[in-house]
Amino acid sequence: DVKVTQSSRYLVKRTGEKVFLECVQDMDHENMFWYRQDPGLGLRLIYFSYDVKMKEKGDIPEGYSVSREKKERFSLILESASTNQTSMYLCATGGAGEKLFFGSGTQLSVL
Amino acid sequence: RKEVEQDPGPFNVPEGATVAFNCTYSNSASQSFFWYRQDCRKEPKLLMSVYSSGNEDGRFTAQLNRASQYISLLIRDSKLSDSATYLCVVNGGANAGKSTFGDGTTLTVKP
Repeated sequence: DVKVTQSSRYLVKRTGEKVFLECVQDMDHENMFWYRQDPGLGLRLIYFSYDVKMKEKGDIPEGYSVSREKKERFSLILESASTNQTSMYLCATGGAGEKLFFGSGTQLSVL
Repeated sequence: RKEVEQDPGPFNVPEGATVAFNCTYSNSASQSFFWYRQDCRKEPKLLMSVYSSGNEDGRFTAQLNRASQYISLLIRDSKLSDSATYLCVVNGGANAGKSTFGDGTTLTVKP
């Protein structure tokens, strides 16, 4: 089975802090994704990457950046965390047009 | 208008009932379709892919109608363990690697 590992299950940060969310997959997939999920808003795509050092903006990239230095690792960065970035963050991987495999999620609280 | 729309429910049904969920999508160039299941505070997991010919997996049947741009999920003989949120997912169009999620339909099966 594909394994997608997110570095933290719960995270509490203060406004203005720089936050790194790490995601590692073990299946050699080209595509990796970062979503956030909020009640009533569903899953929204923040950024995705289809190859090392490549990235594409999703639907809500503002306030976020990403890094893909190695194929298996895709990092989401909050340059200066704000309270409206409190959310569940989900990393996913999968082939083009194929099913996605998700990590278990990081519940981030920004105080 | 959202790219993928689902009836949010909630659907509250007794054990043994048959329940159907529908999902509509706006991009006629979409290429692949899925239903995911998400339990409370967990990550989404693939339930089944959806094909034009329709497909069945035990008590679950998925259908795709490309002409009308909707997909459906039928659950027969509902079990308590079917209680979850069901997410409709559409891939493809301009970016084959990008998945668009519906907001989900919540099902509660009661004894």
